[in-house]
Amino acid sequence: EDKVVQSPLSLVVHEGDTVTLNCSYEVTNFRSLLWYKQEKKAPTFLFMLTSSGIEKKSGRLSSILDKKELFSILNITATQTGDSAVYLCAVASYGGSQGNLIFGKGTKLSVKP
Amino acid sequence: EAQVTQNPRYLITVTGKKLTVTCSQNMNHEYMSWYRQDPGLGLRQIYYSMNVEVTDKGDVPEGYKVSRKEKRNFPLILESPSPNQTSLYFCASAPLRTSGSETQYFGPGTRLLVL
Repeated sequence: EDKVVQSPLSLVVHEGDTVTLNCSYEVTNFRSLLWYKQEKKAPTFLFMLTSSGIEKKSGRLSSILDKKELFSILNITATQTGDSAVYLCAVASYGGSQGNLIFGKGTKLSVKP
Repeated sequence: EAQVTQNPRYLITVTGKKLTVTCSQNMNHEYMSWYRQDPGLGLRQIYYSMNVEVTDKGDVPEGYKVSRKEKRNFPLILESPSPNQTSLYFCASAPLRTSGSETQYFGPGTRLLVL
Protein backbone atom coordinates (compact mmCIF):
# COMPACT_ATOMS: atom_id res chain seq x y z
CA GLU A 1 0.00 0.00 0.00
CA ASP A 2 1.30 3.42 -0.95
CA LYS A 3 2.06 5.66 2.00
CA VAL A 4 3.62 8.98 2.93
CA VAL A 5 5.05 9.54 6.41
CA GLN A 6 6.00 12.93 7.80
CA SER A 7 8.09 13.67 10.86
CA PRO A 8 7.99 15.16 13.32
CA LEU A 9 4.23 15.46 13.75
CA SER A 10 4.70 18.72 15.60
CA LEU A 11 7.53 21.09 16.31
CA VAL A 12 7.92 24.20 18.44
CA VAL A 13 10.78 26.60 17.74
CA HIS A 14 11.68 30.23 18.37
CA GLU A 15 11.93 32.96 15.81
CA GLY A 16 15.25 32.87 14.01
CA ASP A 17 15.70 29.11 14.35
CA THR A 18 16.22 26.85 11.34
CA VAL A 19 13.94 23.85 10.99
CA THR A 20 13.98 20.72 8.88
CA LEU A 21 10.82 18.82 8.14
CA ASN A 22 10.96 15.27 6.85
CA CYS A 23 8.86 13.30 4.43
CA SER A 24 9.44 9.66 3.51
CA TYR A 25 7.37 7.69 1.07
CA GLU A 26 6.65 4.26 -0.33
CA VAL A 27 4.87 4.67 -3.62
CA THR A 28 4.66 2.52 -6.69
CA ASN A 29 5.71 4.34 -9.86
CA PHE A 30 6.68 7.61 -8.23
CA ARG A 31 6.04 10.73 -10.31
CA SER A 32 6.54 13.73 -8.02
CA LEU A 33 6.59 14.94 -4.43
CA LEU A 34 4.92 18.12 -3.32
CA TRP A 35 4.98 20.37 -0.29
CA TYR A 36 2.02 22.46 0.81
CA LYS A 37 1.57 24.94 3.63
CA GLN A 38 -1.74 24.97 5.46
CA GLU A 39 -2.63 27.75 7.85
CA LYS A 40 -6.16 28.01 9.18
CA LYS A 41 -7.55 27.55 5.72
CA ALA A 42 -6.84 25.75 2.47
CA PRO A 43 -3.41 24.30 1.64
CA THR A 44 -1.23 26.46 -0.58
CA PHE A 45 1.35 25.03 -2.93
CA LEU A 46 5.04 25.45 -2.06
CA PHE A 47 7.17 23.11 -4.16
CA MET A 48 7.02 20.24 -6.58
CA LEU A 49 10.03 17.94 -6.82
CA THR A 50 10.59 15.34 -9.47
CA SER A 51 14.37 14.90 -9.70
CA SER A 52 16.83 13.81 -7.05
CA GLY A 53 19.38 16.23 -5.71
CA ILE A 54 18.00 19.40 -7.25
CA GLU A 55 17.14 21.94 -4.59
CA LYS A 56 14.10 24.11 -4.99
CA LYS A 57 14.19 27.47 -3.20
CA SER A 58 11.72 30.16 -2.45
CA GLY A 59 12.95 32.83 -0.08
CA ARG A 60 13.76 31.21 3.27
CA LEU A 61 12.23 27.90 2.22
CA SER A 62 14.02 25.18 0.34
CA SER A 63 13.41 21.54 -0.42
CA ILE A 64 15.25 18.62 -1.90
CA LEU A 65 14.34 15.11 -2.94
CA ASP A 66 16.29 11.86 -2.62
CA LYS A 67 14.67 9.27 -4.87
CA LYS A 68 17.14 6.59 -3.90
CA GLU A 69 16.39 6.84 -0.18
CA LEU A 70 12.74 7.80 -0.83
CA PHE A 71 12.54 10.97 1.18
CA SER A 72 12.41 14.71 0.98
CA ILE A 73 13.19 17.50 3.40
CA LEU A 74 11.78 20.99 3.70
CA ASN A 75 14.08 23.54 5.28
CA ILE A 76 13.00 26.85 6.70
CA THR A 77 15.75 29.24 7.78
CA ALA A 78 15.38 32.26 10.07
CA THR A 79 11.87 31.23 11.00
CA GLN A 80 9.20 33.85 11.65
CA THR A 81 5.88 33.62 13.47
CA GLY A 82 4.18 33.74 10.08
CA ASP A 83 5.74 30.37 9.28
CA SER A 84 3.51 28.76 11.90
CA ALA A 85 1.33 26.31 9.98
CA VAL A 86 0.86 22.68 9.12
CA TYR A 87 3.20 21.57 6.36
CA LEU A 88 1.89 18.82 4.15
CA CYS A 89 3.86 16.47 1.98
CA ALA A 90 2.12 14.63 -0.87
CA VAL A 91 3.22 12.16 -3.50
CA ALA A 92 1.82 11.53 -6.96
CA SER A 93 2.34 8.28 -8.82
CA TYR A 94 1.97 6.98 -12.33
CA GLY A 95 -0.16 4.14 -11.06
CA GLY A 96 -3.56 3.20 -12.39
CA SER A 97 -5.02 6.41 -10.93
CA GLN A 98 -3.02 9.17 -12.53
CA GLY A 99 -4.83 11.85 -10.62
CA ASN A 100 -4.31 10.22 -7.23
CA LEU A 101 -2.38 12.25 -4.70
CA ILE A 102 -1.39 10.71 -1.36
CA PHE A 103 -0.86 13.09 1.54
CA GLY A 104 1.09 12.62 4.72
CA LYS A 105 -0.52 13.65 8.01
CA GLY A 106 1.45 16.83 8.16
CA THR A 107 3.93 18.51 10.50
CA LYS A 108 2.53 21.23 12.71
CA LEU A 109 5.12 23.97 13.12
CA SER A 110 4.73 26.58 15.84
CA VAL A 111 7.15 29.50 15.84
CA LYS A 112 7.29 31.42 19.12
CA PRO A 113 8.36 35.08 19.22
CA GLU B 1 -9.28 36.68 -9.70
CA ALA B 2 -8.28 33.04 -10.25
CA GLN B 3 -9.95 30.93 -7.61
CA VAL B 4 -11.74 27.80 -6.53
CA THR B 5 -15.01 28.42 -4.76
CA GLN B 6 -17.03 26.07 -2.62
CA ASN B 7 -20.55 26.36 -1.27
CA PRO B 8 -21.69 26.18 1.39
CA ARG B 9 -18.74 26.95 3.63
CA TYR B 10 -20.49 25.51 6.69
CA LEU B 11 -23.30 23.00 6.82
CA ILE B 12 -25.12 21.20 9.59
CA THR B 13 -27.46 18.43 8.51
CA VAL B 14 -29.07 15.25 9.75
CA THR B 15 -28.40 11.63 8.91
CA GLY B 16 -29.94 10.56 5.63
CA LYS B 17 -30.76 13.97 4.21
CA LYS B 18 -29.20 14.25 0.77
CA LEU B 19 -26.86 17.18 0.25
CA THR B 20 -24.63 18.64 -2.43
CA VAL B 21 -21.49 20.70 -1.96
CA THR B 22 -20.67 22.72 -5.04
CA CYS B 23 -17.21 23.45 -6.37
CA SER B 24 -16.38 25.83 -9.18
CA GLN B 25 -13.10 27.06 -10.68
CA ASN B 26 -12.49 29.87 -13.13
CA MET B 27 -9.02 28.86 -14.34
CA ASN B 28 -10.10 26.49 -17.11
CA HIS B 29 -8.39 23.61 -15.32
CA GLU B 30 -8.93 20.10 -16.60
CA TYR B 31 -8.29 18.39 -13.28
CA MET B 32 -10.53 18.69 -10.22
CA SER B 33 -10.58 16.74 -7.00
CA TRP B 34 -12.32 16.39 -3.65
CA TYR B 35 -10.58 15.73 -0.34
CA ARG B 36 -11.68 15.32 3.21
CA GLN B 37 -9.49 16.30 6.13
CA ASP B 38 -9.85 14.71 9.54
CA PRO B 39 -7.73 15.11 12.68
CA GLY B 40 -5.00 12.51 12.81
CA LEU B 41 -5.78 11.25 9.32
CA GLY B 42 -4.67 14.13 7.17
CA LEU B 43 -6.01 14.87 3.72
CA ARG B 44 -7.58 11.96 1.90
CA GLN B 45 -8.76 11.99 -1.67
CA ILE B 46 -12.42 11.13 -2.30
CA TYR B 47 -12.86 11.47 -6.07
CA TYR B 48 -11.10 13.24 -8.86
CA SER B 49 -11.76 14.14 -12.47
CA MET B 50 -9.24 14.45 -15.27
CA ASN B 51 -11.71 16.20 -17.57
CA VAL B 52 -15.38 16.58 -18.42
CA GLU B 53 -17.30 13.32 -18.02
CA VAL B 54 -14.17 11.58 -16.65
CA THR B 55 -14.19 10.76 -12.94
CA ASP B 56 -12.32 8.25 -10.82
CA LYS B 57 -12.26 7.08 -7.22
CA GLY B 58 -9.67 8.27 -4.78
CA ASP B 59 -8.83 6.59 -1.50
CA VAL B 60 -12.13 7.06 0.35
CA PRO B 61 -15.01 7.19 -2.18
CA GLU B 62 -17.62 5.25 -0.17
CA GLY B 63 -20.76 7.26 0.52
CA TYR B 64 -19.95 9.96 -2.04
CA LYS B 65 -20.84 10.69 -5.63
CA VAL B 66 -19.50 13.24 -8.06
CA SER B 67 -20.26 14.45 -11.55
CA ARG B 68 -18.35 16.52 -14.09
CA LYS B 69 -20.80 17.77 -16.70
CA GLU B 70 -19.00 21.07 -17.20
CA LYS B 71 -15.32 21.87 -16.99
CA ARG B 72 -15.67 24.48 -14.29
CA ASN B 73 -17.95 22.58 -11.88
CA PHE B 74 -17.38 19.46 -9.81
CA PRO B 75 -20.13 18.94 -7.22
CA LEU B 76 -19.81 16.46 -4.36
CA ILE B 77 -23.00 14.61 -3.53
CA LEU B 78 -23.79 12.80 -0.30
CA GLU B 79 -26.91 10.76 -1.04
CA SER B 80 -27.45 9.62 2.54
CA PRO B 81 -25.03 11.37 4.88
CA SER B 82 -23.91 9.65 8.05
CA PRO B 83 -22.12 11.04 11.12
CA ASN B 84 -18.80 9.53 9.99
CA GLN B 85 -18.89 11.93 7.07
CA THR B 86 -18.56 14.84 9.43
CA SER B 87 -15.38 16.45 8.19
CA LEU B 88 -13.67 19.37 6.51
CA TYR B 89 -13.94 19.07 2.73
CA PHE B 90 -11.67 20.67 0.18
CA CYS B 91 -12.11 20.95 -3.55
CA ALA B 92 -9.03 21.47 -5.69
CA SER B 93 -8.22 22.05 -9.33
CA ALA B 94 -5.12 21.94 -11.49
CA PRO B 95 -4.06 22.30 -15.09
CA LEU B 96 -3.03 19.06 -16.70
CA ARG B 97 0.48 19.40 -18.01
CA THR B 98 3.15 16.81 -18.66
CA SER B 99 3.99 17.07 -14.99
CA GLY B 100 0.53 15.91 -14.05
CA SER B 101 -2.06 17.32 -11.72
CA GLU B 102 0.09 18.04 -8.71
CA THR B 103 0.12 21.83 -8.53
CA GLN B 104 -3.37 21.98 -7.18
CA TYR B 105 -5.26 25.08 -6.14
CA PHE B 106 -7.50 24.46 -3.17
CA GLY B 107 -10.86 25.95 -2.39
CA PRO B 108 -11.55 27.51 1.04
CA GLY B 109 -13.09 24.37 2.50
CA THR B 110 -16.57 23.26 3.59
CA ARG B 111 -17.06 22.24 7.18
CA LEU B 112 -19.81 19.61 7.39
CA LEU B 113 -21.47 18.32 10.53
CA VAL B 114 -23.84 15.37 10.22
CA LEU B 115 -26.01 14.79 13.27
